[in-house]
Amino acid sequence: QKEVEQDPGPLSVPEGAIVSLNCTYSNSAFQYFMWYRQYSRKGPELLMYTYSSGNKEDGRFTAQVDKSSKYISLFIRDSQPSDSATYLCAMGVGVSGGSYIPTFGRGTSLIVHP
Amino acid sequence: AAGVIQSPRHLIKEKRETATLKCYPIPRHDTVYWYQQGPGQDPQFLISFYEKMQSDKGSIPDRFSAQQFSDYHSELNMSSLELGDSALYFCASKTQGASYNEQFFGPGTRLTVL
Repeated sequence: QKEVEQDPGPLSVPEGAIVSLNCTYSNSAFQYFMWYRQYSRKGPELLMYTYSSGNKEDGRFTAQVDKSSKYISLFIRDSQPSDSATYLCAMGVGVSGGSYIPTFGRGTSLIVHP
Repeated sequence: AAGVIQSPRHLIKEKRETATLKCYPIPRHDTVYWYQQGPGQDPQFLISFYEKMQSDKGSIPDRFSAQQFSDYHSELNMSSLELGDSALYFCASKTQGASYNEQFFGPGTRLTVL
């Protein structure tokens, strides 16, 4: 079993819908939680990060972490066709000598159709 | 703004050949990370460097080696290539003075081993 599980999708929604993307994890030592967006043939781009349970909002994006359930979510409000991409969750244990090594989920492919 | 540069963008090699991938971090970034992303897979951390010294090591095969040079660019050397090495190879960079999570990814090098 992988440390981080993420449904690969694809998830297809109409423009304007609220999107919910989720990951579960098994390593209770994870302290940092992030969401990356990856467009086709591009590198991952950091969208959101959080260190604690609860919600963090940034524009149309809300990241939610539930450490007791080992479950994280990314919500996208008023989804746009330009949001169509693969969304990867990532999380990490901590800092070693100032570096940070995340463990990624497989990514969920999101398609927002007009 | 300047981004992480990777070269080449595409590379085709045959089994048992060698390959060298290059990464040029964002100016003033002193830390470089290498990841391997197979088709439909999550990025797997290979190795990282800080100030020209290896800082963390992940699932990098013994056939691979890497280094960071005085100008902070990094090279990933891959020998005795196998079919299973076909993947996207991402480089990410950050500066130690930044938030833990702010790794900026390059566009990747797509390696195909025939």
